[in-house]
Amino acid sequence: EAGVAQSPRYKIIEKRQSVAFWCNPISGHATLYWYQQILGQGPKLLIQFQNNGVVDDSQLPKDRFSAERLKGVDSTLKIQPAKLEDSAVYLCASSLLAGVNEQFFGPGTRLTVL
Amino acid sequence: GENVEQHPSTLSVQEGDSAVIKCTYSDSASNYFPWYKQELGKRPQLIIDIRSNVGEKKDQRIAVTLNKTAKHFSLHITETQPEDSAVYFCAAKGSGGSYIPTFGRGTSLIVHP
Repeated sequence: EAGVAQSPRYKIIEKRQSVAFWCNPISGHATLYWYQQILGQGPKLLIQFQNNGVVDDSQLPKDRFSAERLKGVDSTLKIQPAKLEDSAVYLCASSLLAGVNEQFFGPGTRLTVL
Repeated sequence: GENVEQHPSTLSVQEGDSAVIKCTYSDSASNYFPWYKQELGKRPQLIIDIRSNVGEKKDQRIAVTLNKTAKHFSLHITETQPEDSAVYFCAAKGSGGSYIPTFGRGTSLIVHP
């Protein structure tokens, strides 16, 4: 089966610019996660969707980050405006259901904010 | 919220030796504990997981143990090989969709030939 797809793979922007990332989960997976992975650290969950609804976004910096999954399939994560500390790899993951816990990760988008 | 501590941050072993990575967690409601392997520049991949109703699980050279009373779990790799070199992350998650999966900071395992 096809894995989790993400684009772009790399993005370089200047601070205060905007950026958007796209994720297409494994077909049929109801749960979608966005993680931020700063160099040398473990992934940190930003937001979790169940179908097109938000399950948890308590760690999402809502003043600058937003995410949507309008049709319950693919998802976009946006940062506006970006800060230097947003430089990280943004990983998307999906699982069949929230209760079936194995998550499959996408290749990630490496964001560099200059 | 959940807090996961992982040790050591770096582990260097000789090929054929065993490697042990330990994690502790704070939320007694956590009931699912996966381990991920992440090679340089690649995505994390699940290598083994354990649920709270089990004390130990083994898959070939990899085993995980869980002590719910002490709230710690460990990854054991036997007969290490150079291709085991990677960063390993532990994680803890509760039941239900609203529990946030919390990851440790990672252990960089280096296996010297």
